[in-house]
Amino acid sequence: GAVVSQHPSRVICKSGTSVKIECRSLDFQATTMFWYRQFPKKSLMLMATSNEGSKATYEQGVEKDKFLINHASLTLSTLTVTSAHPEDSSFYICSAIGKGYGYTFGSGTRLTVV
Amino acid sequence: KQEVTQIPAALSVPEGENLVLNCSFTDSAIYNLQWFRQDPGKGLTSLLLIQSSQREQTSGRLNASLDKSSGRSTLYIAASQPGDSATYLCASPWMEYGNKLVFGAGTILRVKS
Repeated sequence: GAVVSQHPSRVICKSGTSVKIECRSLDFQATTMFWYRQFPKKSLMLMATSNEGSKATYEQGVEKDKFLINHASLTLSTLTVTSAHPEDSSFYICSAIGKGYGYTFGSGTRLTVV
Repeated sequence: KQEVTQIPAALSVPEGENLVLNCSFTDSAIYNLQWFRQDPGKGLTSLLLIQSSQREQTSGRLNASLDKSSGRSTLYIAASQPGDSATYLCASPWMEYGNKLVFGAGTILRVKS
């Protein structure tokens, strides 16, 4: 079946630094990837949608300059949290869809900003 | 705006019980409905996908039904086991939302041994 690999699974960074999270579709071409943020005991909040080769579409209230998304190939999308602050600490999950494949989710990244 | 509601928010049952998780949505213009499982600190695992033209799907001890007219879906878990303990999420790609998934808040299930 379809597999989406997300790395790293956990990251701790200092306030003011940037962190990059990778999302890869391992056995299918992901025409669209989604990035979600999840707060403790809450459901997933869609942050942005990215299509290969084009700019990401951000949901209302999500700062595009803080959360940089790149979808450079059909198998890789990256989310970079720039100038991270403690309030950016959260669980980030990516999802991918491709022709013939439904929504497949990565295993998530726990970001802690200290 | 599509709203997805899951009831109950949390459920604790003894091992072996059959149980039902409920999901309701306000706009029936959906392509399909999916049920996911999320373990603590982990991503989502797809359990069942019901197309809008279908009424139910089964996988092992899991059975999911879909009634678009009433805006409801149920996930039935037979003979629950401690390993079923997790958060269960339902989600639907809402047509007016560009096919993006709209999630319910989830049901936290605990099966006691």
